[in-house]
Amino acid sequence: KAGVTQTPRYLIKTRGQQVTLSCSPISGHRSVSWYQQTPGQGLQFLFEYFSETQRNKGNFPGRFSGRQFSNSRSEMNVSTLELGDSALYLCASSMWTSGSDREQFFGPGTRLTVL
Amino acid sequence: QQQVKQSPQSLIVQKGGISIINCAYENTAFDYFPWYQQFPGKGPALLIAIRPDVSEKKEGRFTISFNKSAKQFSLHIMDSQPGDSATYFCAARFNSGNTPLVFGKGTRLSVIA
Repeated sequence: KAGVTQTPRYLIKTRGQQVTLSCSPISGHRSVSWYQQTPGQGLQFLFEYFSETQRNKGNFPGRFSGRQFSNSRSEMNVSTLELGDSALYLCASSMWTSGSDREQFFGPGTRLTVL
Repeated sequence: QQQVKQSPQSLIVQKGGISIINCAYENTAFDYFPWYQQFPGKGPALLIAIRPDVSEKKEGRFTISFNKSAKQFSLHIMDSQPGDSATYFCAARFNSGNTPLVFGKGTRLSVIA
């Protein structure tokens, strides 16, 4: 079974630009979560989608948005990029949203560098 | 109250030694505590997880010890190997399940020969 795939793997943008990252979950998984990973803050939750609906949202500004398509693929968008947005953006998929022990499978991430 | 505090930030262990990473939490509504392992260039991968009704769980060389009264849990890696060198994250989730994982800030483990 193929794992979670994320594209692109690396991205370089300049301040003020916007960027779209893509995530394809494991086949059969309907929940997709996004996390931002930085050396200082670790992994911070951005949002989660299930069946094309946002189920949870982390404490990030409105510049960060996402969506999920009917095939469970998800995209996240960051508008008006700031230097502090430089990070590894991780996508994780799981079968369900309920059940505290539901396992999440992470993709390799997209490394975003903002210059 | 939603934080998970992890220590140490970095750890160097001799091959064959025991690696111990500790985490503490405040919110007693957490009821699922996984540990993730992350190698450079890869996403985190679930290593082992525990629920608070169990005080210890062992899988191979990896053991989680859980102290509910102290609100602490730890990862022990027995007979540490150079291949265990990675960043380890503890995490927690509320019992509703429909909530995101809350992660510790990670521990970079280096196992030296």
